[in-house]
Amino acid sequence: DIVMTQSPATLSVSPGERATLSCRASQSVSSNLAWYQQKPGQAPRLLIFGASTRATGIPARFSGSGSGTEFTLTISSLQSEDFAVYYCQQYNNWPPYSFGQGTKLEIK
Amino acid sequence: EVQLVESGGGLVQPGGSLRLSCAASGFTVSSNYMSWVRQAPRKGLEWVSVIYSGGGTNYADSVKGRFTISRDSSKNTLYLQMNSLRPEDTAVYYCARGRSTGWYGDDWGQGTLVTVSS
Repeated sequence: DIVMTQSPATLSVSPGERATLSCRASQSVSSNLAWYQQKPGQAPRLLIFGASTRATGIPARFSGSGSGTEFTLTISSLQSEDFAVYYCQQYNNWPPYSFGQGTKLEIK
Repeated sequence: EVQLVESGGGLVQPGGSLRLSCAASGFTVSSNYMSWVRQAPRKGLEWVSVIYSGGGTNYADSVKGRFTISRDSSKNTLYLQMNSLRPEDTAVYYCARGRSTGWYGDDWGQGTLVTVSS
């Protein structure tokens, strides 16, 4: 099974600054990588699929990059509504469809 | 507009059974790849099961042999039959739609809480 590892576990950033979140796969997942945002008490929301394609309605300040085993989610200028938990998920080798453990993005 | 509404969660004793439902609107369940994903209290996301448009299914090892995913095209509804429940199955269960081979969740329901406890 592919293990997805996200870092850091918690990231403290000030509004208006850039946030960079990392996701590493235990073996290559090509570009079959999705990112989700989850706010307290809410369901996850798809942000990025195919490692770099924004889902419908996702602001341009969210961008994804990487392929193989190393991936990055960048939020260029943090807005108050962006503070949440972010998960990556691989869909290259399945089952199972594996998620990372999450990165909590908090206000500094 | 795509909408997914889960129901059927609740409190059940260890060893018991429960059936979750996910009523869909705005799209056809049988034409998409539908998954159940769960989230234990204060924990991350765990994929549970998927049913593909062709009817094939996959399960996480942690639920294989105990859970069964199915769908009813006439009701446009997804189900998860959960048997032999364990305390570690306690979680919010989400249904989610995927539209490509190799599932990822385009759209998600609001979740239903399952608590397994005596």
